[in-house]
Amino acid sequence: AQSVAQPEDQVNVAEGNPLTVKCTYSVSGNPYLFWYVQYPNRGLQFLLKYITGDNLVKGSYGFEAEFNKSQTSFHLKKPSALVSDSALYFCAVRDPSYSGGYQKVTFGTGTKLQVIP
Amino acid sequence: NAGVTQTPKFRVLKTGQSMTLLCAQDMNHEYMYWYRQDPGMGLRLIHYSVGEGTTAKGEVPDGYNVSRLKKQNFLLGLESAAPSQTSVYFCASSYSPPGVSTDTQYFGPGTRLTVL
Repeated sequence: AQSVAQPEDQVNVAEGNPLTVKCTYSVSGNPYLFWYVQYPNRGLQFLLKYITGDNLVKGSYGFEAEFNKSQTSFHLKKPSALVSDSALYFCAVRDPSYSGGYQKVTFGTGTKLQVIP
Repeated sequence: NAGVTQTPKFRVLKTGQSMTLLCAQDMNHEYMYWYRQDPGMGLRLIHYSVGEGTTAKGEVPDGYNVSRLKKQNFLLGLESAAPSQTSVYFCASSYSPPGVSTDTQYFGPGTRLTVL
C-alpha cells in the first residue's frame, strides 16, 4: 500500500529566510509525487510534480522540490519565504505501476506554513 | 473561465436529512472526483468518474451516492446524513486519466458541511 508522511504539523519561518516542508513516501514502484497548496477557504492548488528525470523540480511561485530516492523523500523548498506563502501544504503520491484499477492519489495530512514578518 | 465551482459553500444538516452537492467544471475535463477533508487525515477519495454516465467507488464511498449525467457536472448525494459526515468536501477534475503523467487535478473551493 502506498503512503505519504508529512512529519511536521506546522512550520514557522521568518520572512526572507529559506523554508523547507518535509515529505516522505512509500510505494512499491517508482512514484509520481505532487505538492499542492491550500489557502484559507480555498481548494487545493497544484504547485509542482515529479514524474521522472531531474531530481530537482521547479514549480509555481518560486517553489521547488527535491526527489531523493534513497531517502524516499520529496521535500518542498523555497530560497526566500514571503508572508503570502503562509498556507497549508499537501504532499501526494501515486504509484503508476499499480494495475489493479484506479491509480489513486494518496495525500499527506498537510503541513501548515506560517511565515512571520 | 471559472474552473471548478461547488455549490453550496456551507450547509448545516440534521441527522437523517438528505442533500446534494453540485460540482461543475468548464474545462471540458473527462475525469472528476469527490474528496472529503478531515483534520489530521488529509484528503480521501469518495467517488470518481472517468466520463459522462460513469461513476466508481473510491476509498470511503459508504453513505454517499454520485451521478454524472452531464460531462461538466458531478453530483454528490447524502441520502441520510450522519454526524460522521461532517467534513469539508472538495470536487476536482482532470484532463488526463488517472496514472498518466499529465494527470493534474484541479480543485474547487470546497463545501463545508456540518451534520448535527
